[in-house]
Amino acid sequence: GDSVTQMEGPVTLSEEAFLTINCTYTATGYPSLFWYVQYPGEGLQLLLKATKADDKGSNKGFEATYRKETTSFHLEKGSVQVSDSAVYFCALKGSSASKIIFGSGTRLSIRP
Amino acid sequence: GAGVSQSPSNKVTEKGKDVELRCDPISGHTALYWYRQRLGQGLEFLIYFQGNSAPDKSGLPSDRFSAERTGESVSTLTIQRTQQEDSAVYLCASSLSGGANEKLFFGSGTQLSVL
Repeated sequence: GDSVTQMEGPVTLSEEAFLTINCTYTATGYPSLFWYVQYPGEGLQLLLKATKADDKGSNKGFEATYRKETTSFHLEKGSVQVSDSAVYFCALKGSSASKIIFGSGTRLSIRP
Repeated sequence: GAGVSQSPSNKVTEKGKDVELRCDPISGHTALYWYRQRLGQGLEFLIYFQGNSAPDKSGLPSDRFSAERTGESVSTLTIQRTQQEDSAVYLCASSLSGGANEKLFFGSGTQLSVL
């Protein structure tokens, strides 16, 4: 069945560092891919998405490119801020009729 | 309502008791999901309702878990004979029509503690 694997955390970086959180997936067909974020004390919210190969999703300085050849959707940001400290979840939806499944989450902490 | 509403926000129960968790999705949303998030863990899929289709129950961990949805509105998740391993945050989410690229709107969750 479909699955999502993301890098384990926690990840600790200094402010203004470059961020990469790896996400790979297994799915039949052409799934839609998502990154959700859970800030401390808040509910999960969509960060960005991509619906077909080579699409790039972007929001709040974060980017992720849908790579079908490597079945990956890595999250990147060029210069992180303390306010980016949160838990990040990669997610996949195989089709309109299918459920959305999430990775295990990666906790990110940014030092001032 | 303006968002996905879940109740209660916290529930403490004794091992062996039954509990019922409620989710009110955003009005007009036909797709509804339940997930479980144990402390420090990821989101574990439980069940997915999409319109009038048969629900996808493939994530329910045992026959002690069941869920219902009334039309395209309220959903209840019932856990019978609770066990300590059931302690977790139970999250509900909805989306407009379950489309492949739709975003989910999450509730604040129900924190379940089984003593």
